[in-house]
Amino acid sequence: EVQLVESGGGLVQPGGSLRLSCAASDFTLSSYWVHWLRQDPVKGLMWVSQINRDGSRTTYADSVRGRFTISRDNAKNTVYLQMNNLGAEDTALYYCATDGGARFDNWGQGTLVTVSS
Amino acid sequence: EIVMTQSPATLSVSPGERVTLSCRASQHVGTNLAWYQQKPGQAPRLLIYAAFNRATGIPIRFSGSGSGTEFTLTINSLQSEDFAVYYCQQYFNWPPYTFGQGTKLEIK
Repeated sequence: EVQLVESGGGLVQPGGSLRLSCAASDFTLSSYWVHWLRQDPVKGLMWVSQINRDGSRTTYADSVRGRFTISRDNAKNTVYLQMNNLGAEDTALYYCATDGGARFDNWGQGTLVTVSS
Repeated sequence: EIVMTQSPATLSVSPGERVTLSCRASQHVGTNLAWYQQKPGQAPRLLIYAAFNRATGIPIRFSGSGSGTEFTLTINSLQSEDFAVYYCQQYFNWPPYTFGQGTKLEIK
């Protein structure tokens, strides 16, 4: 069974940075495109970013482009989301998910990011 | 950006009933439409992809239909474990992939 585990969330001040990790257990993450999504009670579910299998192609939502960077280390079976210049609007539960053909087949349990002073 | 609109926001139904949830896209998306189920404290789970294909392990009481801009998710004979929030998502025109705001299915 595909299992993804996110980590790295926490409380950060406005303007701060966090790096989220998405680790895969018992399967080879390099076989998949991987997405980051986020969810908050007001805006609902929002797609954030995606990365292809070898990390050569990345795409971002307009609201995070230039501030967030997705990357992967296939040797470590892990995908990352570096988040800089965080604002209150970035407060959300962040999920990683594998791509099953532009849909999100398998999701992690999420990691909570709170941006507050 | 394609806007996905789901209706109703909340649906109160009794176990054993049949329910139909609606999703409308602001532009044509063909059959590039997925449905997800989310229970409290859990991540969304893929139910349906390509408008009508059940994902692995999804019971046959779940069915999807539609194309273009109008889609439905039907759940036959509601079970207690089906009370959750349901989201539709388009993947015809990305980025961004976009979701509806969800329909909450609650017990009457």
